[in-house]
Amino acid sequence: SQQGEEDPQALSIQEGENATMNCSYKTSINNLQWYRQNSGRGLVHLILIRSNEREKHSGRLRVTLDTSKKSSSLLITASRAADTASYFCATGAPGDAGGTSYGKLTFGQGTILTVHP
Amino acid sequence: EAQVTQNPRYLITVTGKKLTVTCSQNMNHEYMSWYRQDPGLGLRQIYYSMNVEVTDKGDVPEGYKVSRKEKRNFPLILESPSPNQTSLYFCASRGLAEYNEQFFGPGTRLTVL
Repeated sequence: SQQGEEDPQALSIQEGENATMNCSYKTSINNLQWYRQNSGRGLVHLILIRSNEREKHSGRLRVTLDTSKKSSSLLITASRAADTASYFCATGAPGDAGGTSYGKLTFGQGTILTVHP
Repeated sequence: EAQVTQNPRYLITVTGKKLTVTCSQNMNHEYMSWYRQDPGLGLRQIYYSMNVEVTDKGDVPEGYKVSRKEKRNFPLILESPSPNQTSLYFCASRGLAEYNEQFFGPGTRLTVL
């Protein structure tokens, strides 16, 4: 079953505007990650936020995490046409005693972002 | 350059003809995984491996096999492909430390006729 659910499914904006995508999840997490996928290609890691963090920045990206609401948001500021892609959130499971579950990531269905020049 | 490679990138085959998609990583990662991506369903994990000779089922393992004889390689085997296995497949790897990102291969687009 899908852990993360992104909202909206699709987002269309003009260059220079900000884009906000949301992700909700169901169970406890160790961390939450955001990935980007250009059409039909492999996913590229953007940013990771740990379960004990509330906000993180990387360049034009800002990620927030609210574990009480089991939700996260990704904000892309001053968007560019090159930001056009699908964006996925992925949740990392809490580690078990042997630390063996750290590897598993569960992905949502993604948000398709289109930035018009 | 740190990377995950997959071969082939595109494959068209017929029902029942066994095939193997190779995956290799050069980052000495312990954890490797296969996903399939289908429209409206996102990425779903097929199998994963925590290390050499350690593999386990993901969320959608039916119809697939994997092996992990060497740390760098994690092939995906379809013994008898069926049309419902037509999909875009991704291999991924990561180190086992707690907060590591996952590196993805470029994808293999498989069509089973």
